[in-house]
Amino acid sequence: QKEVEQNSGPLSVPEGAIASLNCTYSDRGSQSFFWYRQYSGKSPELIMSIYSNGDKEDGRFTAQLNKASQYVSLLIRDSQPSDSATYLCAVFAGGTSYGKLTFGQGTILTVHP
Amino acid sequence: GAVVSQHPSWVICKSGTSVKIECRSLDFQATTMFWYRQFPKQSLMLMATSNEGSKATYEQGVEKDKFLINHASLTLSTLTVTSAHPEDSSFYICSARGRGAKSHNEQFFGPGTRLTVL
Repeated sequence: QKEVEQNSGPLSVPEGAIASLNCTYSDRGSQSFFWYRQYSGKSPELIMSIYSNGDKEDGRFTAQLNKASQYVSLLIRDSQPSDSATYLCAVFAGGTSYGKLTFGQGTILTVHP
Repeated sequence: GAVVSQHPSWVICKSGTSVKIECRSLDFQATTMFWYRQFPKQSLMLMATSNEGSKATYEQGVEKDKFLINHASLTLSTLTVTSAHPEDSSFYICSARGRGAKSHNEQFFGPGTRLTVL
């Protein structure tokens, strides 16, 4: 069974700190990896995507992928209270799934002033 | 770019009635659209995958006769909840997957439709 697991939360960090969100996946053939942010009562918003090993930076966000370890992470630097949300890790395994993503259960992040 | 709209944003209906939710990709052609349901404080649950011009593929446990999906064009998919009951009250969210060489299977979500069945 293809699974995506995220580190259990909730995660609480002070404003200005680095928030680290982790995700592991079971399907070694997975091809594409995404991080979504979901505010309470809202739909998910794509914030980062990564497809090859290494780091990918976009503003305060850095996604890290290690396919050998089947591990993907999201770092949020200089965390702000507005970053408080649920973060969803999603994985595309390929094949004939028509692009279906497998989502983790989400990690709730709270950034306190 | 990659904007997905949903209509209505919220709806309240009586038990036994049917409700139609529209999902549109506004600035790209969506080869595939997905329908999710999310109950309070729970994760997304994929209901079905919809490809333009073909029948939807439903996830296990989702009643295809109750949740009718039509994907008539590359920019529009509809979900009809037939004979809705209070237990169908939920947050329904669609997403769309783009087409083209630059697409890496990202899904872009609509803003969601909150359904309340009385």
